[in-house]
Amino acid sequence: DQQVKQNSPSLSVQEGRISILNCDYTNSMFDYFLWYKKYPAEGPTFLISISSIKDKNEDGRFTVFLNKSAKHLSLHIVPSQPGDSAVYFCALTGANSKLTFGKGITLSVRP
Amino acid sequence: NAGVTQTPKFQVLKTGQSMTLQCAQDMNHNSMYWYRQDPGMGLRLIYYSASEGTTDKGEVPNGYNVSRLNKREFSLRLESAAPSQTSVYFCASSVSGKGTGELFFGEGSRLTVL
Repeated sequence: DQQVKQNSPSLSVQEGRISILNCDYTNSMFDYFLWYKKYPAEGPTFLISISSIKDKNEDGRFTVFLNKSAKHLSLHIVPSQPGDSAVYFCALTGANSKLTFGKGITLSVRP
Repeated sequence: NAGVTQTPKFQVLKTGQSMTLQCAQDMNHNSMYWYRQDPGMGLRLIYYSASEGTTDKGEVPNGYNVSRLNKREFSLRLESAAPSQTSVYFCASSVSGKGTGELFFGEGSRLTVL
């Protein structure tokens, strides 16, 4: 039973346009939501996070939106750059403090 | 400042062989984790150590053992490797096991079991 779903395995966008990466979850007990970015042959690195008391958090070109009623999380990258090409994982945590990761989305930004 | 260091980076084993993956962090973090990443499966938690002296099972602990040697080091042992354990293994650490959940990952160890 998948608690965290990233239903689109890949996304391709043109440089300069917006990238929207989506993540859905089933357990309403999750209360902290994170995005990690991973380049090939490297470990994941933390990108941005949001707590359940907020619906938006922004850091430069990256904005995370949380819709608790829909159990939906999204990451917006504007404008997208070729260096953003990577695998993006959403990760959720709750009372047990352990992260549950989605399967990841491969983003390709075309020059 | 190295962060999280894993060794070895690559390893090929035969079925039934044993090996230990080593992990060390220099950030004075309390909590450490071992994950595996398989194609189409994301990152799955094998074992974690919330603090020195404690270890707990994660989502996929079967076939593995861990040792929290001290605050810096957390090792993962495969006693009798199986082809199903072919994967990329990531060690991670965090300030504590509670709170924001932000983890710092090593570069990964790619293990192939023939």
